[in-house]
Amino acid sequence: NAGVTQTPKFQVLKTGQSMTLQCAQDMNHEYMSWYRQDPGMGLRLIHYSVGAGITDQGEVPNGYNVSRSTTEDFPLRLLSAAPSQTSVYFCASTDGQGVYGYTFGSGTRLTVV
Amino acid sequence: GNSVTQMEGPVTLSEEAFLTINCTYTATGYPSLFWYVQYPGEGLQLLLKATKADDKGSNKGFEATYRKETTSFHLEKGSVQVSDSAVYFCALSDWNYGGATNKLIFGTGTLLAVQP
Repeated sequence: NAGVTQTPKFQVLKTGQSMTLQCAQDMNHEYMSWYRQDPGMGLRLIHYSVGAGITDQGEVPNGYNVSRSTTEDFPLRLLSAAPSQTSVYFCASTDGQGVYGYTFGSGTRLTVV
Repeated sequence: GNSVTQMEGPVTLSEEAFLTINCTYTATGYPSLFWYVQYPGEGLQLLLKATKADDKGSNKGFEATYRKETTSFHLEKGSVQVSDSAVYFCALSDWNYGGATNKLIFGTGTLLAVQP
């Protein structure tokens, strides 16, 4: 099925560990974003990309790294996990028009202990 | 900067009651406006959208009208069902700006609980 695929769905990390959250879309969308969702705070933008090879920081980028080597993939790397990064992470994509809204993945629930 | 403010929840209603969830925004220019819905344990789904002033978005009995004069995009439904229980997010996209990055900015979400 067409859409945004995120893996893994659940992950537990120890403080200081690193990992990569995977995101792939098969809709040939230019724009891709990573959000984190925390209770009472809605969704906050971590990093975004306007096309392959182009990324930029969002509202809460510290502790995260991204790259966009292909149109389809937009992985999010946690460099050294901290308990404050316990959250639900969503990847989303949209075409260049914006007016059609973003398509979201099903999320990754990350717990850092 | 751009921002979205929506009413805090939870909103608890009986089945067949009328629903309003308020949303106001702050933005320069003419952003596109969206309502997303998140059912328990799932990701966000686009519920409806409006791209210019006075546009009305509608889907599954939900409606919202883009009001530039009051910078609002309130979500309404005439008769809610138990299956409408979810978290609703208001959001705006800066796509309409020259050189826009197409970022989506969310409100904090409103939990709706519909009781039978």
